[in-house]
Amino acid sequence: KQEVTQIPAALSVPEGENLVLNCSFTDSAIYNLQWFRQDPGKGLTSLLLIQSSQREQTSGRLNASLDKSSGRSTLYIAASQPGDSATYLCAVRRTSGTYKYIFGTGTRLKVLA
Amino acid sequence: SAVISQKPSRDICQRGTSLTIQCQVDSQVTMMFWYRQQPGQSLTLIATANQGSEATYESGFVIDKFPISRPNLTFSTLTVSNMSPEDSSIYLCSARVGTGEETQYFGPGTRLLVL
Repeated sequence: KQEVTQIPAALSVPEGENLVLNCSFTDSAIYNLQWFRQDPGKGLTSLLLIQSSQREQTSGRLNASLDKSSGRSTLYIAASQPGDSATYLCAVRRTSGTYKYIFGTGTRLKVLA
Repeated sequence: SAVISQKPSRDICQRGTSLTIQCQVDSQVTMMFWYRQQPGQSLTLIATANQGSEATYESGFVIDKFPISRPNLTFSTLTVSNMSPEDSSIYLCSARVGTGEETQYFGPGTRLLVL
């Protein structure tokens, strides 16, 4: 059974700091992995999607890496801003035959001005 | 891309009653999903709703408790039946756009409190 864990559960950093959020999963047989951002009252927004054959994806100040063999993904946020404050969720999709995603419990990030 | 709206955004209900949550997508989508996020927990998939067929429920979720409708390619409803305080959660609608699109889009969620 796939389980997804995110560490830390909460993080508070000063503005401008670079930071890394961690995601680990127990079954390496994944199809892809997505990082989402969750803002209160606004649902989830997809940030980056990494296919199982890829090692990393970048979008602006965000970089996500994937090490399937070790069951790990990291989300790197450069030069953090107060607007980055949100809960970050990672989710894995098991195979190409299902669109079910298994979500982690998230990392609640607060960037202090 | 897709923009998803949900109604209501929040509600407070009495135990034993039912609530129907509506999900509207601004474009036709192939697959829609309903998730639950209990306090302090991760998102859990309740069911997949496909137009023209019965919804597919995940283990632990049954149609009598969570009936779903999908009358067309842009709309779905989830009913939470015979509610108890344990049903207090955020319910999120999600959609997959097209066959080549991998990104899933989410609605803003419906925050439900059952007293």
